[in-house]
Amino acid sequence: ETGVTQTPRHLVMGMTNKKSLKCEQHLGHNAMYWYKQSAKKPLELMFVYNFKEQTENNSVPSRFSPECPNSSHLFLHLHTLQPEDSALYLCASSQAQGGGGGTDTQYFGPGTRLTVL
Amino acid sequence: AQTVTQSQPEMSVQEAETVTLSCTYDTSESNYYLFWYKQPPSRQMILVIRQEAYKQQNATENRFSVNFQKAAKSFSLKISDSQLGDTAMYFCAFIGGTSYGKLTFGQGTILTVHP
Repeated sequence: ETGVTQTPRHLVMGMTNKKSLKCEQHLGHNAMYWYKQSAKKPLELMFVYNFKEQTENNSVPSRFSPECPNSSHLFLHLHTLQPEDSALYLCASSQAQGGGGGTDTQYFGPGTRLTVL
Repeated sequence: AQTVTQSQPEMSVQEAETVTLSCTYDTSESNYYLFWYKQPPSRQMILVIRQEAYKQQNATENRFSVNFQKAAKSFSLKISDSQLGDTAMYFCAFIGGTSYGKLTFGQGTILTVHP
């Protein structure tokens, strides 16, 4: 595998389910990101991880719980979601600089299309 | 806060012709970076081109080039010799020198290339 991979590609879940999205990067980067892409809205940054430490939480509801066990893997744990959480969830990675995600180019995975019933 | 505006929701062009997509941004930072990303129907977000604000020379990447006007805070993308595979949503994005990974996207422009 090369680049940034995400699994699953599609996910349908009920509001009471618990599921997890997985992202893996094969680029040797040390910063990883979760974005949400909803219809008719710009991409929204959700979380930033830099050297496995969370450096940004963009006021995301607690029903979304990120986890970054190492610089290559990023998870998004989902529980008790709402129908308005249905969206494309994109993962990205980049080289980090200093204490934050830096300004280096972010490379994206193919996304997970989430539908909440 | 930084904002990125793409005023053209949709555009179309004939194959082999040239098209320009517009983007404006607002920031108080002096050091920043601008990007154009392409998102085809597969939904994979692909980097098209990157411009560092401190560089006066406009970035080019094969058939893709930008017109970066720093004073006007404008960053347009020109696609020459358009191909059917260029059909996609195009996003302009900004990251400030102190933003620490916070990439801000515009609303996107849907580009359709017709044969």
